[in-house]
Amino acid sequence: GAVVSQHPSRVICKSGTSVKIECRSLDFQATTMFWYRQFPKQSLMLMATSNEGSKATYEQGVEKDKFLINHASLTLSTLTVTSAHPEDSSFYICSAYPMTSDGYNEQFFGPGTRLTVL
Amino acid sequence: GQNIDQPTEMTATEGAIVQINCTYQTSGFNGLFWYQQHAGEAPTFLSYNVLDGLEEKGRFSSFLSRSKGYSYLLLKELQMKDSASYLCAVRDSNYQLIWGAGTKLIIKP
Repeated sequence: GAVVSQHPSRVICKSGTSVKIECRSLDFQATTMFWYRQFPKQSLMLMATSNEGSKATYEQGVEKDKFLINHASLTLSTLTVTSAHPEDSSFYICSAYPMTSDGYNEQFFGPGTRLTVL
Repeated sequence: GQNIDQPTEMTATEGAIVQINCTYQTSGFNGLFWYQQHAGEAPTFLSYNVLDGLEEKGRFSSFLSRSKGYSYLLLKELQMKDSASYLCAVRDSNYQLIWGAGTKLIIKP
């Protein structure tokens, strides 16, 4: 199956700093990538939809100035958590659909990034 | 609103069979997915149903009834490594995935 990578897998930072998380589709092109956040024992929460070459679409309640998304190429999307605070500590996961002739099918997930803000 | 319901937790015995149910109410329907998620890891794809009926894949099978807004995931010959959370997700008319809260499956020897 298609492969999506994320980097870093784990990051610990001080409150007030910014953290960048990269999401790459390794063997397919993805015009659209998705960023999720998952708190312990809770389900995935979609944060935003990242569109190559255009602005991301943010879900209600997600601050676009705090969670900066850049989808600069068909294989790379980045999420930057600006001025991180302890409440931003979470598991961040990206995903992408390979484009197929019959439309979207399986969504592939990156391995996730565990962010801990001290 | 959109809603996906599945049991919070289930317990089963190694070697047995377990069925995890999922009911949904969404704005449109473009397929239902089951994912497995081990603690601290990202979800991995298990199955995809877009038409009514049963899809079988080895020890795992998934069933869909669109008229009832219902699906189940059937796991046979349970192994200890099947202990995980199982997430039901429905793709709506905007091709966005709506996620259930997940069912934590505990396998006992």
